[in-house]
Amino acid sequence: EIVLTQSPDFQSVTPKEKVTITCRASQSIGSSLHWYQQKPDQSPKLLIKYASQSFSGVPSRFSGSGSGTDFTLTINSLEAEDAATYYCHQSSSLPNTFGGGTKVEIK
Amino acid sequence: EVQLVESGGGLVQPGGSLRLSCAASGFTFSSYDMHWVRQATGKGLEWVSAIGTAGDTYYPGSVKGRFTISRENAKNSLYLQMNSLRAGDTAVYYCARGGRGSGSPFDYWGQGTLVTVSS
Repeated sequence: EIVLTQSPDFQSVTPKEKVTITCRASQSIGSSLHWYQQKPDQSPKLLIKYASQSFSGVPSRFSGSGSGTDFTLTINSLEAEDAATYYCHQSSSLPNTFGGGTKVEIK
Repeated sequence: EVQLVESGGGLVQPGGSLRLSCAASGFTFSSYDMHWVRQATGKGLEWVSAIGTAGDTYYPGSVKGRFTISRENAKNSLYLQMNSLRAGDTAVYYCARGGRGSGSPFDYWGQGTLVTVSS
């Protein structure tokens, strides 16, 4: 099973600040890494697919990069509505696995 | 508009069974892999099962032999039969749409249905 390790677990950020979340895979997964945003009491929403491709309708301040074992989600100029927990997900091999999540709080 | 609506959750005793349903609309259901993902309160996401367009099924070890995923394309519906339920299965269960091939992201999710396993 591929383990995804996200860091940090929690981040408190001022609006307009840049946020960087990392996801490290226990073995190479190519670009089969996706990012989701989950707000309180809501279901997860796809932000970035295949490491760097933005999903339809996602604001341009969200971007992703990386390949192999190391991946990054970047939120440029954080907005209040971005307060949420962010998860990475690998679909390279079964079982699908998720990172533990990164909670982003707005200061 | 893609919509996924889960139902069937509730309170069940340990060792009991429950069948979840997911009604899909807004897309050609038969052309997509489908998944179930669960989330215990305050915890992260855990993939529970997948079914391909050909009816092939996949499970993690934590539920294999206890849960059965199925689909009924004529009714645009996905199901999860859960048997021998344990307290650790307590979670919100989401259905999610996969892609048109293996290795795809989960691009749309339902609102979830809560399953509580307790005596």
